[in-house]
Amino acid sequence: AQSVTQPDIHITVSEGASLELRCNYSYGATPYLFWYVQSPGQGLQLLLKYFSGDTLVQGIKGFEAEFKRSQSSFNLRKPSVHWSDAAEYFCAAILTGGGNKLTFGTGTQLKVEL
Amino acid sequence: DTGVSQNPRHKITKRGQNVTFRCDPISEHNRLYWYRQTLGQGPEFLTYFQNEAQLEKSRLLSDRFSAERPKGSFSTLEIQRTEQGDSAMYLCASSSPQVSTDTQYFGPGTRLTVL
Repeated sequence: AQSVTQPDIHITVSEGASLELRCNYSYGATPYLFWYVQSPGQGLQLLLKYFSGDTLVQGIKGFEAEFKRSQSSFNLRKPSVHWSDAAEYFCAAILTGGGNKLTFGTGTQLKVEL
Repeated sequence: DTGVSQNPRHKITKRGQNVTFRCDPISEHNRLYWYRQTLGQGPEFLTYFQNEAQLEKSRLLSDRFSAERPKGSFSTLEIQRTEQGDSAMYLCASSSPQVSTDTQYFGPGTRLTVL
């Protein structure tokens, strides 16, 4: 079955430390891939997306993600985390050539220690 | 540039009542999506419109759920005879393949609590 997996439910990092959030997908073909962030009680804000081309994509708020076809992964990174980055992060995918619906992972809750 | 708006932001209802939510997409977007998010989970797809046509419905969308987009602009999601299991955040998103490579932009959501 097509799925998106985020193996880490919770991650805690110190402010100023680097961050990597993991995302793996299970699809027959390369999907469109997205990272969204959700603050408590809020909707989802798009951080970045990958459709094709350069496998390292830059997003807003200093985030970047790297698509690795061999590992079916699309991990989100940030070199130095700020306290305001504390939120829930969702990886999502749309199957290329299929329907338009997003399939989401279960999310990773990020806590930032001061 | 106004984003996706949803009303109401919060709704508390008693079991068995009907509720209706509204979504106003970004004005130039012709595609509109509804998702449901329960606590501790990622959003799950419910249904999708292109203009006024409802093109896909999830099996999650039981007979008690109906969605419309009568003029291809705003959309409504109605839940009849609500159950406690309907308590969730209902998210709306819009996109346009012509404007932003079909990237979906989300509204703030409607939080439904069924007592």
